Amino acid sequence: QKEVEQNSGPLSVPEGAIASLNCTYSDRGSQSFFWYRQYSGKSPELIMSIYSNGDKEDGRFTAQLNKASQYVSLLIRDSQPSDSATYLCAVGVGEYSGAGSYQLTFGKGTKLSVIP
Amino acid sequence: EAQVTQNPRYLITVTGKKLTVTCSQNMNHEYMSWYRQDPGLGLRQIYYSMNVEVTDKGDVPEGYKVSRKEKRNFPLILESPSPNQTSLYFCASSATLSTGTRNTEAFFGQGTRLTVV
Repeated sequence: QKEVEQNSGPLSVPEGAIASLNCTYSDRGSQSFFWYRQYSGKSPELIMSIYSNGDKEDGRFTAQLNKASQYVSLLIRDSQPSDSATYLCAVGVGEYSGAGSYQLTFGKGTKLSVIP
Repeated sequence: EAQVTQNPRYLITVTGKKLTVTCSQNMNHEYMSWYRQDPGLGLRQIYYSMNVEVTDKGDVPEGYKVSRKEKRNFPLILESPSPNQTSLYFCASSATLSTGTRNTEAFFGQGTRLTVV
């Protein structure tokens, strides 16, 4: 059973602070890693994707991947109240081409609250 | 505009009455999947499809059927709905590595809130 674990939170940070969200996964063959933001009752929207070890930065967001430790994280700098949402970590594993088998597994999400 | 369209957005039905939730994408994606989302359980994959006529079970396939006759459409069928299938459902689509892209993130539809009484 492929597992993706996240701290459910809620994680509360003051406005302007750095929010740190963490995710671990069980399948060492995982190849693709994503962070989604989901507002209550809405569909998930992609924040970051990362495929190689190291850091990837996009604006206020930085994704970090460490395949040896099976760990992926998301940092949100200068947190804003509009960042308050549930953040979902998703991990893809399998043969993602042709007739192969591929599954994208989501963690249960971490609820982030940014306090003005 | 690139999008995944689900219909209906809301549905209340009775136990045992067959229903279909439609999903259509306009991005020529090979990979499509269905998820259900329940409080405390997160997003769980029901079925997925790697391409036309290629489908496979996800983590929670019991009580559901799917078909992929055309690349753009991936309907979810509940032959005999039961109250434990009351949930928020999402359809998603992705490009695959076979097309040469590294951008394989999932794009989601707006969601279908299903209530079975």
